[in-house]
Amino acid sequence: SQKIEQNSEALNIQEGKTATLTCNYTNYSPAYLQWYRQDPGRGPVFLLLIRENEKEKRKERLKVTFDTTLKQSLFHITASQPADSATYLCALAPSSGGSYIPTFGRGTSLIVHP
Amino acid sequence: DAGVIQSPRHEVTEMGQEVTLRCKPISGHDYLFWYRQTMMRGLELLIYFNNNVPIDDSGMPEDRFSAKMPNASFSTLKIQPSEPRDSAVYFCASSSSGGTNTGELFFGEGSRLTVL
Repeated sequence: SQKIEQNSEALNIQEGKTATLTCNYTNYSPAYLQWYRQDPGRGPVFLLLIRENEKEKRKERLKVTFDTTLKQSLFHITASQPADSATYLCALAPSSGGSYIPTFGRGTSLIVHP
Repeated sequence: DAGVIQSPRHEVTEMGQEVTLRCKPISGHDYLFWYRQTMMRGLELLIYFNNNVPIDDSGMPEDRFSAKMPNASFSTLKIQPSEPRDSAVYFCASSSSGGTNTGELFFGEGSRLTVL
């Protein structure tokens, strides 16, 4: 069966360090992968999209990699700040069909300590 | 634009009661999604619409759940009768297929449902 796995344990890091979050998947052929941020009591907010033919995408302090051989995406936040503390969700959309409907992982909580 | 608007933000009800959750998508978006989020199962897709037409409702857990989209600016998710295991946060999201379709979803703030 299709599965998207994100670390269920919270990631604790010190301010200024690079946070790296992992998203692994099985039995998917994703057309693209998205990362969302979710704050407590709020809806997820889109951060980045990376397509299957792209290896890396950057946006300000964020970097996403996508390895379709390893079936893995890494999400990096450089120079992390306490304001980056949130839950980060990855979502995959399959390459079959004309509509790209994302399926979400359960998310990893990031806690950045001052 | 005000974003996706959901109501109510919080609902506490007793088992057996009918619950109706409402959603106003972003104007111009042609896709609307209903998701349910719990600690155990994460964010699950219940149903989605394209141009007001239900496309895939395979995620709707039971016949107690129903969703409608009578026009492009309004959708409802109804649970009748409600059960304690329906307690969750229900999110509505919308997206646009116009231009380069990235599939980015715009979420509302959610409706937190507690069924006693």
